Amino acid sequence: GAVVSQHPSWVICKSGTSVKIECRSLDFQATTMFWYRQFPKQSLMLMATSNEGSKATYEQGVEKDKFLINHASLTLSTLTVTSAHPEDSSFYICSALGTGELFFGEGSRLTVL
Amino acid sequence: GIQVEQSPPDLILQEGANSTLRCNFSDSVNNLQWFHQNPWGQLINLFYIPSGTKQNGRLSATTVATERYSLLYISSSQTTDSGVYFCAFWDYKLSFGAGTTVTVRA
Repeated sequence: GAVVSQHPSWVICKSGTSVKIECRSLDFQATTMFWYRQFPKQSLMLMATSNEGSKATYEQGVEKDKFLINHASLTLSTLTVTSAHPEDSSFYICSALGTGELFFGEGSRLTVL
Repeated sequence: GIQVEQSPPDLILQEGANSTLRCNFSDSVNNLQWFHQNPWGQLINLFYIPSGTKQNGRLSATTVATERYSLLYISSSQTTDSGVYFCAFWDYKLSFGAGTTVTVRA
């Protein structure tokens, strides 16, 4: 099946720093990628939809200046958490739209100290 | 928007047992999928099942679109089946149910 790779899997950073998470579709081109956030024991909540070559579409309540999304190619989207704070600690999951199905990366666990 | 209700929220099974997980929707949904999230967080596509029945090994799923529900069956459960099972559907985005946490004990 289709493979989506996410990196890094784990990241610990100090409060106030920025963290970049990469999402790559390895064996297909994805014009659309999605970024989700998941708090412990909760469901996945969509943060934004990333379209190649255009600005991301953010869900209501998601700060676009804090969560910067770039989708510069058909196989790569990045999420940058700027000026991270402890409340940004979460599990971030990307997904890429293949032929009618959505495939997920392994997730990135962010801990902000 | 469309509301999705998953039941039960938690399920504890003895290895070898069978179980049924359910998703109910408040309105007709498109392109329903079932996912398994393992204890390490990885989401695995189980089924893409907008309608009808599909089977894959010990798992099978049935969606009755006209009655707005979908079922996931786990037969002869194994400890590796533990994790969270989500149903999800498309409107302009993939929206997830709250999930069913399954624990299979040896």
